[in-house]
Amino acid sequence: SQQGEEDPQALSIQEGENATMNCSYKTSINNLQWYRQNSGRGLVHLILIRSNEREKHSGRLRVTLDTSKKSSSLLITASRAADTASYFCAKAHSGYSTLTFGKGTMLLVSP
Amino acid sequence: DAGVIQSPRHEVTEMGQEVTLRCKPISGHDYLFWYRQTMMRGLELLIYFNNNVPIDDSGMPEDRFSAKMPNASFSTLKIQPSEPRDSAVYFCASSRDGITQPQHFGDGTRLSIL
Repeated sequence: SQQGEEDPQALSIQEGENATMNCSYKTSINNLQWYRQNSGRGLVHLILIRSNEREKHSGRLRVTLDTSKKSSSLLITASRAADTASYFCAKAHSGYSTLTFGKGTMLLVSP
Repeated sequence: DAGVIQSPRHEVTEMGQEVTLRCKPISGHDYLFWYRQTMMRGLELLIYFNNNVPIDDSGMPEDRFSAKMPNASFSTLKIQPSEPRDSAVYFCASSRDGITQPQHFGDGTRLSIL
């Protein structure tokens, strides 16, 4: 399987804390993308990191990619209740034209 | 700009009925994807189109499922006859490119087959 794993499956933190989610994969990638899904809504794209990049930032989001370990992490700093959602990584595997989504991490941020 | 628009948002119907889900992609996006999301299986790609042409339908679960894209601004996913195990949330997404650009998702159709 190309899917790999995401962990944790669920994460519960307090507002102001940082949240870290991890994503691993098994075969080489062209890029890796992170998406957020609020309850009852569609997925929303957050960040795309290419295979030759190691780190990207967007506001309070920081994504890292370690191709030697075939893993990526999404860090949300100073979390807010509005960050409560499911977060998915999607792998763009080399030689394929579609994304492979993981099963996601459910993040709950309590006020 | 309007995002991806899906209709209906909710559909409840009885087993054996025909179900048609509709999608309007973002203008200028050459790729359109249909996904199904369930708790057990997560997000599964059913089929995708490039420039209105179906490219890969290997994710379509059975012959009961069919999808069309008659023009660049409209696509349908049809289930006939429907079964309770088809109950899921169905998403349509579009993008300028298959994997190097972000995919933009609609808010989905929540389908319940009784």
